Amino acid sequence: SAVISQKPSRDICQRGTSLTIQCQVDSQVTMMFWYRQQPGQSLTLIATANQGSEATYESGFVIDKFPISRPNLTFSTLTVSNMSPEDSSIYLCSALDVSAGELFFGEGSRLTVL
Amino acid sequence: KQEVTQIPAALSVPEGENLVLNCSFTDSAIYNLQWFRQDPGKGLTSLLLIQSSQREQTSGRLNASLDKSSGRSTLYIAASQPGDSATYLCASHSGTYKYIFGTGTRLKVLA
Repeated sequence: SAVISQKPSRDICQRGTSLTIQCQVDSQVTMMFWYRQQPGQSLTLIATANQGSEATYESGFVIDKFPISRPNLTFSTLTVSNMSPEDSSIYLCSALDVSAGELFFGEGSRLTVL
Repeated sequence: KQEVTQIPAALSVPEGENLVLNCSFTDSAIYNLQWFRQDPGKGLTSLLLIQSSQREQTSGRLNASLDKSSGRSTLYIAASQPGDSATYLCASHSGTYKYIFGTGTRLKVLA
């Protein structure tokens, strides 16, 4: 199983600022994803982070708001841009073990926007 | 579009009880179904993965079953303990590896 490290684990930010979340996997993985979990809700897929190319965004999520980088097979970043209180959520990085089809998660980054 | 529902939304049981958590999905053409545990404010821990060709998986006190024809999966927890208290989530995908998550069941096991 993959071990995924995310940082920051939590942050409190001011409205209008941007925050970049980092995700490091302890082994090379083919697929990485970013999810959002709003308070009291289940997980919603933001995008698939593609190595060496632009991320693939789900309906309702756009690159200008959530730019994603994936420079190699073990690392990805998600930026939450021009934040508003509605962006207060837990953001979760995940990686897929394609051989088994099993999804693994980091500890999440809890973001509070004032 | 796949929709995943979990019933009940919340469950409170005394320690030692056996319990069943339910997961329903609308698209029976799923590839995998995975059960996760989430502690408050934390990430998700993978519990069990059932591939479409399988009917059940077991790990310790946990047993998950999959019935694709009826669009259902169940997670059975034997001899529940206070440490089992968490939110349990099921998720499935239909070949794209984009897992769709259920609404979750918040479990509280009382000592």
